[in-house]
Amino acid sequence: EIVMTQSPATLSVSPGERATLSCRASQSVSSNLAWYQQKPGQAPRLLIYGASTRATGIPARFSGSGSGTEFTLTISRLQSEDFAVYYCQQYNNWPPMYTFGQGTKLEI
Amino acid sequence: EVQVLESGGGLVQPGGSLRLSCAASGFTFSNYAMNWVRQAPGKGLEWVSVISGSGVSTFYADSVKGRFTISRDSSKNTLYLQMNSLRAEDTAIYYCAKRGGPSAYYFDYWGQGTLVTVSS
Repeated sequence: EIVMTQSPATLSVSPGERATLSCRASQSVSSNLAWYQQKPGQAPRLLIYGASTRATGIPARFSGSGSGTEFTLTISRLQSEDFAVYYCQQYNNWPPMYTFGQGTKLEI
Repeated sequence: EVQVLESGGGLVQPGGSLRLSCAASGFTFSNYAMNWVRQAPGKGLEWVSVISGSGVSTFYADSVKGRFTISRDSSKNTLYLQMNSLRAEDTAIYYCAKRGGPSAYYFDYWGQGTLVTVSS
């Protein structure tokens, strides 16, 4: 099983600042990495797929990078609606065993 | 507009069974693999199962293999999850999630979830 490890567990930042979230895979997942945002009481929302491609309707302040085992989600100029929990997910292996990271809580 | 809507959650005793449903609309249902993902209270996301668009291929997380069965009815645009031999650790919100495309294994649309509580 591929284990996904996110850091930090909690990130405290201020509106207008930049946030950098990390995700590490226990073995290479190539670019088969997605990021999701989840707000309290809501379903997750797809932000990034293919490690760096923004999903439909996602603002340009969200960007993803990395490949192999190291990935980063960057949110520039944080807005109040960005404070949420962020999960990375790998979808590289076959048969499918899609694993998520434990999440990073982005708080004010 | 793509929509997926889960139903069927509730309170069930350990060892019991429950069937979840997910009604899909706004896309050609039979063209897309569908997944179940769960989230225990206050915890992270755990992928549970996937079924191909044709329904021929199914896969499960080790934690539910042999107890849960995923299926779909394309005539009704509905996804199912039959859950047997339920345990306390199966307590979670269960989300239905559409796969992004034929070679796109991420999940681009999610339902709002249905809560399953396993308790005596």
